[in-house]
Amino acid sequence: GQQLNQSPQSMFIQEGEDVSMNCTSSSIFNTWLWYKQDPGEGPVLLIALYKAGELTSNGRLTAQFGTTRKDSFLNISASIPSDVGIYFCAGPFAGGTSYGKLTFGQGTILTVHP
Amino acid sequence: ETGVTQTPRHLVMGMTNKKSLKCEQHLGHNAMYWYKQSAKKPLELMFVYNFKEQTENNSVPSRFSPECPNSSHLFLHLHTLQPEDSALYLCASSQVSRGTLHQPQHFGDGTRLSIL
Repeated sequence: GQQLNQSPQSMFIQEGEDVSMNCTSSSIFNTWLWYKQDPGEGPVLLIALYKAGELTSNGRLTAQFGTTRKDSFLNISASIPSDVGIYFCAGPFAGGTSYGKLTFGQGTILTVHP
Repeated sequence: ETGVTQTPRHLVMGMTNKKSLKCEQHLGHNAMYWYKQSAKKPLELMFVYNFKEQTENNSVPSRFSPECPNSSHLFLHLHTLQPEDSALYLCASSQVSRGTLHQPQHFGDGTRLSIL
């Protein structure tokens, strides 16, 4: 079945540092989504990517849809304490009879030290 | 984000109790989902509803029973749960249609369920 491998599993960084995480798929995707989950809350969509090679920014966040269509990257520049949380990549789940299903990565837990 | 509202936020119940989780979406979406999120595990899809019809039951035990009375509301009825069912239960919604770009799911803040 489809698998999304997200790395790293966790990161401990100092405030002000840049962060990079990535996600790879066992199959080709036509959409990549990046979510952030704060403690005690549900995941919130950060960036949606729909085209191979696409580079999209949202403030200090930048995400890229890999040209092979099997990977995606999320970068956070100049991290701040409120960047703490779990970051998930997700893509459409192929097969089955349901529309709209997503496959999620295992998540990257980000800790930012002041 | 208030587009998807889940109640209650916290629930503690015994193994013999019956309770229900409620989800309401105000986004006009036509698909709704239940997920289970346990500590240190990826999100686990439980049920999918497209256009009020259940289209996916991801091998979920029968002690979890979903209900979707209309496109805006989704319930998860719980009975005779086990301690390993303690987790965060997340509801999500999205707009789906054939042949269009995949639209993201929008999540509620979840119900933290603890089984005694």
